[in-house]
Amino acid sequence: DAEITQSPRHKITETGRQVTLACHQTWNHNNMFWYRQDLGHGLRLIHYSYGVQDTNKGEVSDGYSVSRSNTEDLPLTLESAASSQTSVYFCASSDPPGETGDTGELFFGEGSRLTVL
Amino acid sequence: AQSVTQLDSHVSVSEGTPVLLRCNYSSSYSPSLFWYVQHPNKGLQLLLKYTSAATLVKGINGFEAEFKKSETSFHLTKPSAHMSDAAEYFCVVSDGYGGATNKLIFGTGTLLAVQP
Repeated sequence: DAEITQSPRHKITETGRQVTLACHQTWNHNNMFWYRQDLGHGLRLIHYSYGVQDTNKGEVSDGYSVSRSNTEDLPLTLESAASSQTSVYFCASSDPPGETGDTGELFFGEGSRLTVL
Repeated sequence: AQSVTQLDSHVSVSEGTPVLLRCNYSSSYSPSLFWYVQHPNKGLQLLLKYTSAATLVKGINGFEAEFKKSETSFHLTKPSAHMSDAAEYFCVVSDGYGGATNKLIFGTGTLLAVQP
């Protein structure tokens, strides 16, 4: 079965360190997204990609970067981790909307819990 | 700009009683709307979606939602709650700019507790 996997599931790091969260999907979806989930905020979009070599900033992109070198993977990098980046991070993927503009279903990974001390 | 407001952060019901989770949206055109569910320590899963077809949408696990344009609402209901329904529920609207890409905008979530 197709799936989307995130690693690591849990990570503790120190302020100032670089951290990379991996996301791998076998749906062959063009669209991939990174969200962070914080109490009282729901899910907020960090970065997204609509295909290989395409990356775009979301609403909370400061301090994060992504790269898309193939269809399956969209790693999220925190260049210099800050305590404000302590959160649960979710990767998701989807097909582009259909011909009628129907937005495709998002398929989510199980999340990566990051603690920055 | 599109947005969603979930009117209750917490809802508690007894097993076997109806569930109502409220969501209002704001959109300048006909939106696509979704409900996602998140069980503890899991990713989100699609419950149902509305995309300008029938206004009453049926989803998985007995949930349904009704799109009411006049009230700008998309409330989630279930006739009889089960213990396994305890989870967090997110109302979501698509930014729907069309073309090849749509982004989703999430509400802040409603935590549903089901009492035995």
